[in-house]
Amino acid sequence: AQSVSQHNHHVILSEAASLELGCNYSYGGTVNLFWYVQYPGQHLQLLLKYFSGDPLVKGIKGFEAEFIKSKFSFNLRKPSVQWSDTAEYFCAVNAPSYNTDKLIFGTGTRLQVFP
Amino acid sequence: DSGVTQTPKHLITATGQRVTLRCSPRSGDLSVYWYQQSLDQGLQFLIQYYNGEERAKGNILERFSAQQFPDLHSELNLSSLELGDSALYFCASSVGDAGGIYGYTFGSGTRLTVV
Repeated sequence: AQSVSQHNHHVILSEAASLELGCNYSYGGTVNLFWYVQYPGQHLQLLLKYFSGDPLVKGIKGFEAEFIKSKFSFNLRKPSVQWSDTAEYFCAVNAPSYNTDKLIFGTGTRLQVFP
Repeated sequence: DSGVTQTPKHLITATGQRVTLRCSPRSGDLSVYWYQQSLDQGLQFLIQYYNGEERAKGNILERFSAQQFPDLHSELNLSSLELGDSALYFCASSVGDAGGIYGYTFGSGTRLTVV
């Protein structure tokens, strides 16, 4: 079965620090990958997605993610975080060959950024 | 506002009771997905409907059921509620059945508390 692992459950950073959140998935075939963000009290919003092409994907708010097929990873990065990036971040995967468009989510990483 | 509307926002009910959660998808979206978010299990896929038909099923309990109506709104029915059913229930929608490529648009969720 497909699964998604986010090993960092809680990350605490100071403003201007660099961020990298890990995401690994367990599926050997073609995958579509996503990062969502959930700000406190709000709905999940799509940050970025990958389904083909350049493995380095740029999203909104300065975030980017790199798909490394050999490592089954899709880590999220941001060079310099801001206090407003405090939120929960979810990685998600879809395996099209399962003939479904459902997304399987990781358990999330809570990011706290202090001024 | 994401365009996906969920009601009610909060619901408190007693064990053994039955509740109905409602979701109106974004205009033009045909697919509706239901997810349960709890602290220990993360975001769990429950069920998907596409244009009125059930498309995919996840870890949905037999006490839970859903349907999608001709106007494309969806309802999630939870019965014989237990304390462990307390969670945030999210609805999401996507264009056609291509959510696995383009991602979903999420509603703000319904927070269910079973006492």
